[in-house]
Amino acid sequence: NAGVTQTPKFQVLKTGQSMTLQCAQDMNHNSMYWYRQDPGMGLRLIYYSASEGTTDKGEVPNGYNVSRLNKREFSLRLESAAPSQTSVYFCASQRGGTYNEQFFGPGTRLTVL
Amino acid sequence: QKEVEQNSGPLSVPEGAIASLNCTYSDRVSQSFFWYRQYSGKSPELIMSIYSNGDKEDGRFTAQLNKASQYVSLLIRDSQPSDSATYLCAGSGGSNYKLTFGKGTLLTVNP
Repeated sequence: NAGVTQTPKFQVLKTGQSMTLQCAQDMNHNSMYWYRQDPGMGLRLIYYSASEGTTDKGEVPNGYNVSRLNKREFSLRLESAAPSQTSVYFCASQRGGTYNEQFFGPGTRLTVL
Repeated sequence: QKEVEQNSGPLSVPEGAIASLNCTYSDRVSQSFFWYRQYSGKSPELIMSIYSNGDKEDGRFTAQLNKASQYVSLLIRDSQPSDSATYLCAGSGGSNYKLTFGKGTLLTVNP
């Protein structure tokens, strides 16, 4: 039982390059989330998926797209990376309903040059 | 008022002392509350959840929720150097169960 997994762990991109961050959970959770964490800014929600087949914008969605591929997998895509997207990205999952604890993956540290 | 606010810290306590971390919240995040611990370079780890008024104890950790005063706190008894981390408070409210996080409080436990 791996919980929430993320790939890659580290990535360096040049401005304008694209990439997809992968997230998978094996807890049969309904909801999944993407956050970014920057010094002094705390965790900020980028996008979330309350259930399979739905996605919604969070606090900071500009420059990102997401896909809820199936119940297990939720990916985050940067179409044209910018230095302002240098951050640590966390995926989280949540069972949903009255049990709304979130469980986090190990994170992806992204640097955009 | 920000939805979830934490005392900014940093907080420093000697080993064996009680560490007290506090969080206030707005009406929008008034249903469920969570405390996460985050070690430097690691992801947030859930340590406590609390849904109703009063105290909830788990080992050395006690979460306290006071809905009338809109605050939630985390007490760590017999603090250990391994407790040194950033502690994040989070709350949820409404129908979508999203969590809103505070910016965290850095705790250092000195041997």
